[in-house]
Amino acid sequence: AQSVAQPEDQVNVAEGNPLTVKCTYSVSGNPYLFWYVQYPNRGLQFLLKYITGDNLVKGSYGFEAEFNKSQTSFHLKKPSALVSDSALYFCAVRDIGGSYIPTFGRGTSLIVHP
Amino acid sequence: DTGVSQDPRHKITKRGQNVTFRCDPISEHNRLYWYRQTLGQGPEFLTYFQNEAQLEKSRLLSDRFSAERPKGSFSTLEIQRTEQGDSAMYLCASSFDSPPQPQHFGDGTRLSIL
Repeated sequence: AQSVAQPEDQVNVAEGNPLTVKCTYSVSGNPYLFWYVQYPNRGLQFLLKYITGDNLVKGSYGFEAEFNKSQTSFHLKKPSALVSDSALYFCAVRDIGGSYIPTFGRGTSLIVHP
Repeated sequence: DTGVSQDPRHKITKRGQNVTFRCDPISEHNRLYWYRQTLGQGPEFLTYFQNEAQLEKSRLLSDRFSAERPKGSFSTLEIQRTEQGDSAMYLCASSFDSPPQPQHFGDGTRLSIL
């Protein structure tokens, strides 16, 4: 079985400050990991993925994420937040040896204050 | 890449009526997924197709739900005898999956049951 947890319903950060949105996962084997962003009344947009290789993954709009196998985490980070980053963020996991269907977290609402 | 298109964007109907949604995936993608999303939740998997074959269905997908993907192109999701609990955003996504690729989502169909 595969699962993902986003422990924070909401993250508040001031514009220009670094941001972190947390994600932990559970899989039987090795994971494929993804981050998506969702703006109001829109579908999910892909930000970045970890398949294999470097633990630090860089994605769209200046976001990056660090894969930590020992802590089973894949936290999303950005060095300097923008007001326009305010949105819902979803982490997703897929077990490499399992189903083709990813499991999504409940989402974290990021609010960047001017 | 014209993106994933869903129609209609909004549907309001009375309880007990049948509704049908359409999804046009990115043309070269062989996999197509349907998800349901309610407020405060991540996308919940309903079903997916590889080309025209429906390969997996969630236990969430009751007998009132049916999906098709004739000729492996567009897909339809039909809900018969709608219930209040069917009110949600229905999201369609498409992808390649070899090598593992992120899903591309449409903007969804928001269903409201009166």
